[in-house]
Amino acid sequence: DQQVKQNSPSLSVQEGRISILNCDYTNSMFDYFLWYKKYPAEGPTFLISISSIKDKNEDGRFTVFLNKSAKHLSLHIVPSQPGDSAVYFCAASGPGGGADGLTFGKGTHLIIQP
Amino acid sequence: SAVISQKPSRDICQRGTSLTIQCQVDSQVTMMFWYRQQPGQSLTLIATANQGSEATYESGFVIDKFPISRPNLTFSTLTVSNMSPEDSSIYLCSVTGTGGSGVDTGELFFGEGSRLTVL
Repeated sequence: DQQVKQNSPSLSVQEGRISILNCDYTNSMFDYFLWYKKYPAEGPTFLISISSIKDKNEDGRFTVFLNKSAKHLSLHIVPSQPGDSAVYFCAASGPGGGADGLTFGKGTHLIIQP
Repeated sequence: SAVISQKPSRDICQRGTSLTIQCQVDSQVTMMFWYRQQPGQSLTLIATANQGSEATYESGFVIDKFPISRPNLTFSTLTVSNMSPEDSSIYLCSVTGTGGSGVDTGELFFGEGSRLTVL
């Protein structure tokens, strides 16, 4: 049973618009959430994270929102740029973060169209 | 963040053979992990590589199939033994991030991965 779900395998967004990637989780023990970006033939690159004590974390063009009651988080990218085209993975862990081991979703392939 | 190098970056292997993947980090790190990404699937944790002791394996993964070594704080190997086509995956080494104070930051950083194809 998948504990972290990314229900959209792909998403196409026009350059300059907002990209919203969604992620749902089932394990209420998850305490720390992360987003990774992956280009082909490269390892995942850490983007942004959020602790369960917060509902929003912002870093430049990237904002992550957490709705604990709905067990849902989303990554907003604004404005979207061509270099944002990649696969985005949502991940979750216990309070120790990566040291506890991360549970990943299957990823969403974001395509930014010119 | 640490620079993580993996070798080989890709390989094509015959069924029944074994392959060892190396992971080298440019600084000492507390924790190292091995993940697998099968085609179309999410990344799955195989094991935690413990320095100086046996690795800690996740459910569904065993030492006989995936022996792991970690002789020091900057290096680890993962061997995929007696390979079958189902082992065709990307294998990724990862380490915890370390802040200026040396405390783990919570994030994991990944190597570029080793893509194995088993025929």
